[in-house]
Amino acid sequence: AQSVTQPDIHITVSEGASLELRCNYSYGATPYLFWYVQSPGQGLQLLLKYFSGDTLVQGIKGFEAEFKRSQSSFNLRKPSVHWSDAAEYFCAVGSYNQGGKLIFGQGTELSVKP
Amino acid sequence: NAGVTQTPKFQVLKTGQSMTLQCAQDMNHNSMYWYRQDPGMGLRLIYYSASEGTTDKGEVPNGYNVSRLNKREFSLRLESAAPSQTSVYFCASTVSGSGNTIYFGEGSWLTVV
Repeated sequence: AQSVTQPDIHITVSEGASLELRCNYSYGATPYLFWYVQSPGQGLQLLLKYFSGDTLVQGIKGFEAEFKRSQSSFNLRKPSVHWSDAAEYFCAVGSYNQGGKLIFGQGTELSVKP
Repeated sequence: NAGVTQTPKFQVLKTGQSMTLQCAQDMNHNSMYWYRQDPGMGLRLIYYSASEGTTDKGEVPNGYNVSRLNKREFSLRLESAAPSQTSVYFCASTVSGSGNTIYFGEGSWLTVV
């Protein structure tokens, strides 16, 4: 079955600390992988995406993610978290011929302590 | 550039009432999608339209109908609303093919009482 798992429902980090949000997927085809962020009451904003090539991808707001095919993972990282990063983060998987048909993880809520 | 526009943003319905969520995109995208978001479940695909004139069921289509009115517009209809349809609904669009970004609307908050 195709699925995306974000093992951490809620994470709290201190401002300035590093962050890693985990994402594991199960997908039959070559995966296209995405990370989206959602602030309260807002829509989804694309942070970064991986289709092919370099397995370390850079996104907006200082985020990066690394695709590890052997581990079926696409973890999101940020070296130093800012208070404005507090939001919910979603990992999603799709494929070339599926267009916008994505399978989303359950989401990870990030809280940032001052 | 408006992107993907959804209306209404908020709606409260009584059980059994009907309503239509409207979605329009101004990016000349061929594919459009309706998702619902529920706590702890991420987003799940309700229906999609790969191109004008076609619609297909997604993961959770029961209780919904859709219409791809033209290339720009894709509406989602609840014929007889149920409390289980209380959710946040997102419309999205893209151009199918490698590397194309999927654009989401800002969401429609629907409460069925």
